[in-house]
Amino acid sequence: QKEVEQNSGPLSVPEGAIASLNCTYSDRVSQSFFWYRQYSGKSPELIMSIYSNGDKEDGRFTAQLNKASQYVSLLIRDSQPSDSATYLCAVNLIQGAQKLVFGQGTRLTINP
Amino acid sequence: DTGVSQDPRHKITKRGQNVTFRCDPISEHNRLYWYRQTLGQGPEFLTYFQNEAQLEKSRLLSNRFSAERPKGSFSTLEIQRTEQGDSAMYLCGGGPNTDTQYFGPGTRLTVL
Repeated sequence: QKEVEQNSGPLSVPEGAIASLNCTYSDRVSQSFFWYRQYSGKSPELIMSIYSNGDKEDGRFTAQLNKASQYVSLLIRDSQPSDSATYLCAVNLIQGAQKLVFGQGTRLTINP
Repeated sequence: DTGVSQDPRHKITKRGQNVTFRCDPISEHNRLYWYRQTLGQGPEFLTYFQNEAQLEKSRLLSNRFSAERPKGSFSTLEIQRTEQGDSAMYLCGGGPNTDTQYFGPGTRLTVL
């Protein structure tokens, strides 16, 4: 079992709809969770972080964390063509560890 | 601007040659990370520095790889006797703490 798993997609969503991206992780003691956006040929860009169970909203983005289910998700409301990218889930798997473990990423396409 | 610059942005080399990459974070980024990303995968952790001390190394960092961060400012990653399997994007990340890792633009290495 991979430590951090994402559906690689591609996920296709019509413009204006809600895009839902999911991620599961293996280590129950994980404390910190992140979503990065990566455009083709570019480096990952940090867009959201979440540490506590529940929802965290930032503009059109909402991160959701459920530690009991070892599940973290990212919702993008009012999807725009500029949201088309690969979304990477990253987890700090061991408390105090100085590294992030990434999923393989989900490729999202927003169709006009 | 993530406060992390990398040089060069692209490097093409022949198998067996040595290559060196440089990463320059802003002074606020006392933590510095190197990751490697191959096509279709998420970044994989290579090594981590806090100031000038290299505190963690991945098993991925074979004896052909070495990283330094003299004086706790810029960092270099050297790959000796390059192999075709070393072809990847090498990402440098910086941040004031583990929970905030911002990536530079990356160095894309192609080994012929």
